[in-house]
Amino acid sequence: DVKVTQSSRYLVKRTGEKVFLECVQDMDHENMFWYRQDPGLGLRLIYFSYDVKMKEKGDIPEGYSVSREKKERFSLILESASTNQTSMYLCASSPPGGTGYEQYFGPGTRLTVT
Amino acid sequence: QKEVEQNSGPLSVPEGAIASLNCTYSDRGSQSFFWYRQYSGKSPELIMFIYSNGDKEDGRFTAQLNKASQYVSLLIRDSQPSDSATYLCAIETGNTGKLIFGQGTTLQVKP
Repeated sequence: DVKVTQSSRYLVKRTGEKVFLECVQDMDHENMFWYRQDPGLGLRLIYFSYDVKMKEKGDIPEGYSVSREKKERFSLILESASTNQTSMYLCASSPPGGTGYEQYFGPGTRLTVT
Repeated sequence: QKEVEQNSGPLSVPEGAIASLNCTYSDRGSQSFFWYRQYSGKSPELIMFIYSNGDKEDGRFTAQLNKASQYVSLLIRDSQPSDSATYLCAIETGNTGKLIFGQGTTLQVKP
């Protein structure tokens, strides 16, 4: 069974703090993704990575950065958290593109920025 | 025009009925199409994947793809209250592994 884990289910941070969200997958997948999900806006891609140290911006990268130093781990960083970054954050992983393989999602981190 | 469009619902059906969920997309080059189910407070999980025109059946679920008309649908037969969830349509673009998701349709199955 593919397992994607995220470091926290719930997180409360203050405005201006630096926030790290960690994601680990155990299936040796090349691709990893970070999304945020907000009511009425659906799933929006923040960043994705198709290999170690490789990253590409998604649809809403502003205010975020990512790090992928090891194949199994993909971190999302909020450099200076703001209240408009309060959201559900979902990590996913998949085999390489073009194969039609599904993305497997982690349980999500509900981040509240006060 | 949004790349993947779904009616947000809610779609309400009685228990035992057929639920029909629809999705249209704009990229004619799309090759792979996915239906995810998401229960409230949970993460999405894949229930169907289709890449060829026509129907694909898996238990009570049937995915239908029509590339010429650029739509994909999901039929749920003998709907159960446990099917109540949000259903997300997603398409893979450009062989990158990236998926574009629709906003999801909320299904309510009433006992």
